[in-house]
Amino acid sequence: NAGVTQTPKFQVLKTGQSMTLQCAQDMNHEYMSWYRQDPGMGLRLIHYSVGAGITDQGEVPNGYNVSRSTTEDFPLRLLSAAPSQTSVYFCASSYSTISGDNSPLHFGNGTRLTVT
Amino acid sequence: EDQVTQSPEALRLQEGESSSLNCSYTVSGLRGLFWYRQDPGKGPEFLFTLYSAGEEKEKERLKATLTKKESFLHITAPKPEDSATYLCAVTFYTGNQFYFGTGTSLTVIP
Repeated sequence: NAGVTQTPKFQVLKTGQSMTLQCAQDMNHEYMSWYRQDPGMGLRLIHYSVGAGITDQGEVPNGYNVSRSTTEDFPLRLLSAAPSQTSVYFCASSYSTISGDNSPLHFGNGTRLTVT
Repeated sequence: EDQVTQSPEALRLQEGESSSLNCSYTVSGLRGLFWYRQDPGKGPEFLFTLYSAGEEKEKERLKATLTKKESFLHITAPKPEDSATYLCAVTFYTGNQFYFGTGTSLTVIP
């Protein structure tokens, strides 16, 4: 079982460049999300999706775009990279977040992004 | 205001020395509380879900418990391979988001 797959594992960008972080899951999960993890800050939610065609903002959405055209894929786009976006990015998915269902999040192994 | 607070930030134990990690939350309407383990360079790995006060879950040397406003992760006779960062997350009936604490970094010394 592949689970949640993130690519690339490492990326270095120059300020102002754009790129897309890829995330795919093969568990038929409805819920997908993107987090960034910074030292001392914990995991902070960037964007999430409760199903194909539906996305919403999390705690730190500025500078990032998402779309969800299929159940399997949830790419994260950095529009114009800034040094403040240097971080480790995690994609996570869950079977459902309908009230009463306590499905846990399943995480990929992250993309380590450096913006110079 | 932080929704989830974990303590301590870091913990060093001798092999075999039992201890507990704490996760407390401030908002009412808890839907679920989740414990994760994260190894360096990896994504968090799911350990337990707790739903209601009084509930307990066990896995090897780990036992998670839940009260009305906090959860404890008890580690009994830890081994060096238990060294990792342990994360706590909560969900509430009011939304679709998972709220994470900043974690406890556990080091078990042989």
